[in-house]
Amino acid sequence: DAGITQSPRYKITETGRQVTLMCHQTWSHSYMFWYRQDLGHGLRLIYYSAAADITDKGEVPDGYVVSRSKTENFPLTLESATRSQTSVYFCASSERRWEEKLFFGSGTQLSVL
Amino acid sequence: LAKTTQPISMDSYEGQEVNITCSHNNIATNDYITWYQQFPSQGPRFIIQGYKTKVTNEVASLFIPADRKSSTLSLPRVSLSDTAVYYCLVGVRGSYIPTFGRGTSLIVHP
Repeated sequence: DAGITQSPRYKITETGRQVTLMCHQTWSHSYMFWYRQDLGHGLRLIYYSAAADITDKGEVPDGYVVSRSKTENFPLTLESATRSQTSVYFCASSERRWEEKLFFGSGTQLSVL
Repeated sequence: LAKTTQPISMDSYEGQEVNITCSHNNIATNDYITWYQQFPSQGPRFIIQGYKTKVTNEVASLFIPADRKSSTLSLPRVSLSDTAVYYCLVGVRGSYIPTFGRGTSLIVHP
């Protein structure tokens, strides 16, 4: 099915473990984004990518790593998970620049114990 | 990046028209104004985008006055299913950083 999909939908992990959240889009959109959403903070941008092999930091990048070897995939890795990274993570894509509408995935709810 | 200010929450009743205003005093000449809607446990969804005057689609209308220092999202005859958080974004042409604030939590009552 066409669209943007995130996996897993739910994830529980322990402090210090490495976790990778997956994001896949079928539109060949150039731009992809990772946001986290916490109560009282709205959506905060973690990283974004303008094209394959081009990534840049957003508002809250510390503790996260991204890669984009293929246009359709944009995984987010927590190298050593901390409790403060417990959050809902959303991936999004847009066809060209941000003035184009963003399409969001359904989110990954991550709990770090 | 133009900063936006929206009310944190609003209440309404089924069948009423709801207007959510977003202030963006330092909007730049080439900035667009975009609104998103987010239901619980879902990602935000694009509602409407405009540059000036008025834009209307099947979901909402967007009113932008001549000075563009604010904009108003209008939802006609809301239903319970319009209960959601609504975000206003203002974009700088050439900027690749779409920034969401805390949005406006709209609760529609029976």
